[in-house]
Amino acid sequence: AQSVTQPDIHITVSEGASLELRCNYSYGATPYLFWYVQSPGQGLQLLLKYFSGDTLVQGIKGFEAEFKRSQSSFNLRKPSVHWSDAAEYFCAVGANYGGATNKLIFGTGTLLAVQP
Amino acid sequence: KAGVTQTPRYLIKTRGQQVTLSCSPISGHRSVSWYQQTPGQGLQFLFEYFSETQRNKGNFPGRFSGRQFSNSRSEMNVSTLELGDSALYLCASSLFGTENTGELFFGEGSRLTVL
Repeated sequence: AQSVTQPDIHITVSEGASLELRCNYSYGATPYLFWYVQSPGQGLQLLLKYFSGDTLVQGIKGFEAEFKRSQSSFNLRKPSVHWSDAAEYFCAVGANYGGATNKLIFGTGTLLAVQP
Repeated sequence: KAGVTQTPRYLIKTRGQQVTLSCSPISGHRSVSWYQQTPGQGLQFLFEYFSETQRNKGNFPGRFSGRQFSNSRSEMNVSTLELGDSALYLCASSLFGTENTGELFFGEGSRLTVL
């Protein structure tokens, strides 16, 4: 069965510091991978996605993620965190595109706090 | 282009009542999905609709149901509410099939509190 693990429930970083949020997935075939961000009281916004090709993908707001098949990981990174990045981040794996479903399996999320 | 609109944004119900939540997708999006978000269980897939047909369903009891109309708007209904149904219900719209970019566009959610 597909699953996503985000081992860090809560992370605190200083403004200007680098950030890495971890994500591991379990999926039998080539996964479709996503990172979403959720600010308090808001819905989810897509940061970036990986379907195929270059394993380093760039997203919005200066985020990037690297797909590592050997480690079943899709970690999210940002070189310099801004206070406005404080939010909850969700990694997700999708089953089938161009096909029968858009269903996503989400990780439990990582809550990011940014210290001034 | 307007985003995904969910109504109502907040509602309070008592146990045993039923509730209907509405979702208007982005214009041109014909696929609508629903997710339940709770602190304990996280984001869980409820169901997915395309062309008025349920394409996929999550592991929820039959008290949870949904439908999609010809204009792609969707509703979900929860009958005989339980305390554990208190959650943020998120609707997402997307393209489908060969047009699909893989991105789900989420609304801000309907926050249901069951007393």
